[in-house]
Amino acid sequence: NADVMQNPRHLVRRRGQEARLRCSPMKGHSHVYWYRQLPEEGLKFMVYLQKENIIDESGMPKERFSAEFPKEGPSILRIQQVVRGDSAAYFCASSKSDNTEAFFGQGTRLTVV
Amino acid sequence: GENVEQHPSTLSVQEGDSAVIKCTYSDSASNYFPWYKQELGKRPQLIIDIRSNVGEKKDQRIAVTLNKTAKHFSLHITETQPEDSAVYFCAASPNNDMRFGAGTRLTVKP
Repeated sequence: NADVMQNPRHLVRRRGQEARLRCSPMKGHSHVYWYRQLPEEGLKFMVYLQKENIIDESGMPKERFSAEFPKEGPSILRIQQVVRGDSAAYFCASSKSDNTEAFFGQGTRLTVV
Repeated sequence: GENVEQHPSTLSVQEGDSAVIKCTYSDSASNYFPWYKQELGKRPQLIIDIRSNVGEKKDQRIAVTLNKTAKHFSLHITETQPEDSAVYFCAASPNNDMRFGAGTRLTVKP
């Protein structure tokens, strides 16, 4: 990928359903960050992953939320039993290594109805 | 974990004036400090970054300064233009993650 690809761009879920958000990092990047952004607010850190490892998940709620970055395929942010308060834009970013430029995807806008 | 504070939350300047945004961080292990610009409805994009072994970096109308002792860093935009209007985020990165400030909404009035 010459870009960080997130899909879907928009996702609508009913309360209680599951949401799966995908992030394919830029080619050559093995580090992925997930952030949540509410309208008119900042980027709240959720989780930092390297291939097959969760490095820091301190920003992610312990219940209903999980993330993975398998050896093959995209990183997945999974939200089970969604509630209205989960509605937000979810951005992922990827980088080659620690402390280097992180490139953002276009985000997934989750709406829970 | 790292905690980044950013001020001001909103900033309005006249076209041609300078704008300064300030951030502080808590983790002395942080050694990489990027700044991102986010236009309405778009993704954040890197505009400039600085590492802890450098005190100042400049790129055309944008400059960033870093004071490691005081744990603060600043973004300076000179000769502001209407297209500089956006939300700006600072970030600090120790080895394990990247934490962002709450953002500054900059409005440049023509």
